[in-house]
Amino acid sequence: SQTIHQWPATLVQPVGSPLSLECTVEGTSNPNLYWYRQAAGRGLQLLFYSIGIDQISSEVPQNLSASRPQDRQFILSSKKLLLSDSGFYLCAWSMGRFSQPQHFGDGTRLSIL
Amino acid sequence: EDKVVQSPLSLVVHEGDTVTLNCSYEVTNFRSLLWYKQEKKAPTFLFMLTSSGIEKKSGRLSSILDKKELFSILNITATQTGDSAIYLCAALNRDDKIIFGKGTRLHILP
Repeated sequence: SQTIHQWPATLVQPVGSPLSLECTVEGTSNPNLYWYRQAAGRGLQLLFYSIGIDQISSEVPQNLSASRPQDRQFILSSKKLLLSDSGFYLCAWSMGRFSQPQHFGDGTRLSIL
Repeated sequence: EDKVVQSPLSLVVHEGDTVTLNCSYEVTNFRSLLWYKQEKKAPTFLFMLTSSGIEKKSGRLSSILDKKELFSILNITATQTGDSAIYLCAALNRDDKIIFGKGTRLHILP
């Protein structure tokens, strides 16, 4: 069966520091991968999605970037974190484009001080 | 602008009650509507609705889509404390865009 792993679970970082969140999927090949941010009271916002290695689409302009160096690995990064980057970050995968339901990782709660 | 609106934002009921959660959408080239349950961390998939008027059921949960009136409801009968969670609604369109609502926070009192 397929599983998705996301780490770390919690992260506290100072403003201006770099960021790297990692997400890996097991038990499937060539998944579609997604990064979301969930801010309190604002629902889930799609940040990036990827249909293949080195194929990344950005949904909103922001301080973050994403990379997919391997088929089942998706990384969310920032060179310099802002206070507004605080939130709950969720990685998800699906076996098709958006027409298939997405399956989520456990999330990373990021606090910027 | 595409949007998904859920109501109520928060709901507190007693165990055994029946609840109805609402989701309305305004999405260009709408394809499907999805419901998720989020307890502590990862949202878990509940239903995907593509056709209007066809109820989907899973145990005490059921959902239906009305594509004419642009809304969906999620019903939970005989609620239990384990149903306490945030319920998320999302709309997919034919351009492969997904838009989530802000969720309904449901709390079941024992």
